[in-house]
Amino acid sequence: AQKITQTQPGMFVQEKEAVTLDCTYDTSDPSYGLFWYKQPSSGEMIFLIYQGSYDQQNATEGRYSLNFQKARKSANLVISASQLGDSAMYFCAMHTGGFKTIFGAGTRLFVKA
Amino acid sequence: GAVVSQHPSWVICKSGTSVKIECRSLDFQATTMFWYRQFPKQSLMLMATSNEGSKATYEQGVEKDKFLINHASLTLSTLTVTSAHPEDSSFYICSARVTQGNNQPQHFGDGTRLSIL
Repeated sequence: AQKITQTQPGMFVQEKEAVTLDCTYDTSDPSYGLFWYKQPSSGEMIFLIYQGSYDQQNATEGRYSLNFQKARKSANLVISASQLGDSAMYFCAMHTGGFKTIFGAGTRLFVKA
Repeated sequence: GAVVSQHPSWVICKSGTSVKIECRSLDFQATTMFWYRQFPKQSLMLMATSNEGSKATYEQGVEKDKFLINHASLTLSTLTVTSAHPEDSSFYICSARVTQGNNQPQHFGDGTRLSIL
C-alpha cells in the first residue's frame, strides 16, 4: 500500500534558523515523485519542491532543500533561514504510476520572531 | 505557467441550495482534474477524479448524487454540491497536472470556502 507519514503535527522555529519537517513514505513502485506543498492560512496550495525516485542528488529550490534518503524512505524538507512568512501548513505528497497523488497529514510550522 | 483558477472563492448559502464550483486550467489543457475536500486542520481528502468527456471517478464513501462533477472541456471542470446542508460546509479545492508524469506537481486552484447556514 502507498502511504505518506508526517509525524509532526506542529513545529516551532525561531526566525532566521533552519527547520526540518519530516516525511516518510511507503510504496512498492520503483518510479515515484515526492513533493512538498505549502498551505498558508489563506488556503491556497503552493508547490515548493520535487524529488524523483531516480534522482541522485537532493533537490534544492532557494531556501528549500529536500533531504532524500531512499533506503530509509524519507524525504524531509529543510527550510533554511526561516522567515515569518514561512508560517503555514506543509504537506508532503507522493505520486506514482497512477493518476492520484497521496498527501500526508501535514505539519503546521510556526515561525517565532 | 500552469495556472488553475477556481471560482467562487467563498460561498455562503441557505440549506437546500445547490452550489456550483468551477475549476479552470488557464494556460494548459487538463484531461484530468482532481477535487479535494479539506476540513479544518486536516489534510486534503480526494473526493473524485474528473475526466474530460467521461464520468468522474469517485472515491469510496463520496456520494455521487450529492457531489456532481462535470468535465465538459479540456479546461473546465465543475463540482456541484446538490441540496447542500450544514455538514457539507468545508473547503473545496481543485487541482490539475500538466502531464501525468511522476515529476509533475499538482497545480491547485485557490479553493472555495463553502458555508451552509
